[in-house]
Amino acid sequence: DMQMTQSPSSLSASVGDRVTITCQASQDIRNSLNWYQQRPGKAPKLLIYDASKLETGVPSRFSGSGSGTDYTFTISSLRPEDIATYYCQQYDNLPWTFGQGTKVEIQ
Amino acid sequence: QVQLEESGPGLVKPSQTLSLTCSVSGGSVINGAHYWSWIRQHPVRGLEWIGYIHHDGSTYYNPSLKSRITMSIDTSKNQFSLNLTSVTAADTALYYCARDRVGPHHDAFDMWGQGTMVIASS
Repeated sequence: DMQMTQSPSSLSASVGDRVTITCQASQDIRNSLNWYQQRPGKAPKLLIYDASKLETGVPSRFSGSGSGTDYTFTISSLRPEDIATYYCQQYDNLPWTFGQGTKVEIQ
Repeated sequence: QVQLEESGPGLVKPSQTLSLTCSVSGGSVINGAHYWSWIRQHPVRGLEWIGYIHHDGSTYYNPSLKSRITMSIDTSKNQFSLNLTSVTAADTALYYCARDRVGPHHDAFDMWGQGTMVIASS
């Protein structure tokens, strides 16, 4: 299976900070990457698809970039409601696999 | 607005079969652009995609579970289901059903149920 390695596993930042999470695939996944937000007690929610496309209705402070094996998810200005765990997920190689998650907390 | 809702027993005895159903409302499971997935979340092992089914009956099962999984779809009831046989404690998890939006070089879980906790224990 394709291994997806996220870093960091957790982070603490202040409101208004820029937050960056990285996701590394074990081989080239050709931009076949999605990002999800999971708030406590809730199901994951799709934020970014195809590595860099913003899902309809998702605030523009969220963005994604990258290519090959290395991808980045960014929150341009952290808000209190962004407290959640964020996951990357690849769909280049079956079975689809997720990263282990990055927990974002407010400092 | 499409909504998905999982249902099924929250407690399953080891060696028995786990059976879950996902009811879809606000939209039809008969849509060529969508596959219907099951995903589970372990406290430690994280998110694991179990597999998907299409309204035409085609399926893909995660090889890690393939020998124990059966998925089915009932278009008349707008539901799809998961059966997982020979359950062990390792199958204890939060189980989600999700809509898998598919296109040319595109695949994303764009709608999720709220999840149902299944505990495998005697």
